[in-house]
Amino acid sequence: TQLLEQSPQFLSIQEGENLTVYCNSSSVFSSLQWYRQEPGEGPVLLVTVVTGGEVKKLKRLTFQFGDARKDSSLHITAAQPGDTGLYLCAGVRSGGGADGLTFGKGTHLIIQP
Amino acid sequence: GAVVSQHPSRVICKSGTSVKIECRSLDFQATTMFWYRQFPKQSLMLMATSNEGSKATYEQGVEKDKFLINHASLTLSTLTVTSAHPEDSSFYICSTALNYGYTFGSGTRLTVV
Repeated sequence: TQLLEQSPQFLSIQEGENLTVYCNSSSVFSSLQWYRQEPGEGPVLLVTVVTGGEVKKLKRLTFQFGDARKDSSLHITAAQPGDTGLYLCAGVRSGGGADGLTFGKGTHLIIQP
Repeated sequence: GAVVSQHPSRVICKSGTSVKIECRSLDFQATTMFWYRQFPKQSLMLMATSNEGSKATYEQGVEKDKFLINHASLTLSTLTVTSAHPEDSSFYICSTALNYGYTFGSGTRLTVV
């Protein structure tokens, strides 16, 4: 079973601070995805990282895929209250998209004004 | 982009009754549909994978006789929670996979009383 360890599980910081969420596994994934989920809704895809060492930026969010494709990180710069939510990393088990996603436990992020 | 329509969004049922959740793919054909369950403050856990025209594949620990999945057409997959009990109360979400893109339904909040 491929597992994804996501940390921290809960994080509450002040507006303007920076933060990093980590997603680690002992297994190799063909790709890793990051989602954001609002209460009572399905997760919404933020980014997909495919190549080892890949870095993608989405405004104030920076996503990195480890060289060995076993870990990933999400870094938020100058966090804002609108960033509050549940962030989930998810690994794609195979390269064909025929398998379901393996999700990390999620990071509940609260940005206080 | 691909849209998955999930209904109902909320349902309350009495213990011992059955509840059917529908997921429809709009504007595309979904050969495969994934069903996830999410308990409060927890992440998504894959329950089963349904393939059009064949039997669903269930994850370890998920009772196939309790969670009946039907994928009779390329645009509709259903999950029926049979003889529901309070411990089945959860957020159920469906998802399809198109290449590297996973599209999620909006989820169904099931409360069994």
